[in-house]
Amino acid sequence: ETGVTQSPTHLIKTRGQQVTLRCSSQSGHNTVSWYQQALGQGPQFIFQYYREEENGRGNFPPRFSGLQFPNYSSELNVNALELDDSALYLCASSPSGAANYGYTFGSGTRLTVV
Amino acid sequence: QQQVKQSPQSLIVQKGGISIINCAYENTAFDYFPWYQQFPGKGPALLIAIRPDVSEKKEGRFTISFNKSAKQFSLHIMDSQPGDSATYFCAASKGNNNDMRFGAGTRLTVKP
Repeated sequence: ETGVTQSPTHLIKTRGQQVTLRCSSQSGHNTVSWYQQALGQGPQFIFQYYREEENGRGNFPPRFSGLQFPNYSSELNVNALELDDSALYLCASSPSGAANYGYTFGSGTRLTVV
Repeated sequence: QQQVKQSPQSLIVQKGGISIINCAYENTAFDYFPWYQQFPGKGPALLIAIRPDVSEKKEGRFTISFNKSAKQFSLHIMDSQPGDSATYFCAASKGNNNDMRFGAGTRLTVKP
């Protein structure tokens, strides 16, 4: 059984550019949630995808968008990058859309915006 | 957005000692309270979780104590080991809601 895998592990982008981050969910999990973790802070909920549809969103602007594919893998897209977008982006999969079933997190993508 | 307050920010404990991390929440609708452990360069890993119908849950050296009336819960690590050195996050979520709220984290260092 494989865990949650994210790619790339590190990324450097220039302000104003666009970025796509990828996540493969754990086997048997149909739900993917994305979190942003700023340095020294706890993760903050961006949004969740369940059965290829957005299933809840945190307090993030529309330039943060996502997709889920039939194999339950997911992408996080961020347009018009800002310096404050620099953070660790975490993908978490779960067997359902409810957070209280427990999340399995990937190791994250470290995004640096310069 | 943060509805879970965690303390202390950092903690240094001697090997064999007890590590205690505290969290307080605001939303009484929260009904699931997990603790996650994060090592550098890794994502958070679920350590132990509790629901508000019990006051304590123990798994090995890790215990969650839950005080519903005070809206507080804590993680106790007994016989702390250097391998426990990591950042610990408390979190809370409600019902079928998918938005899990995390505390700001506690960096634990266990000295040999």
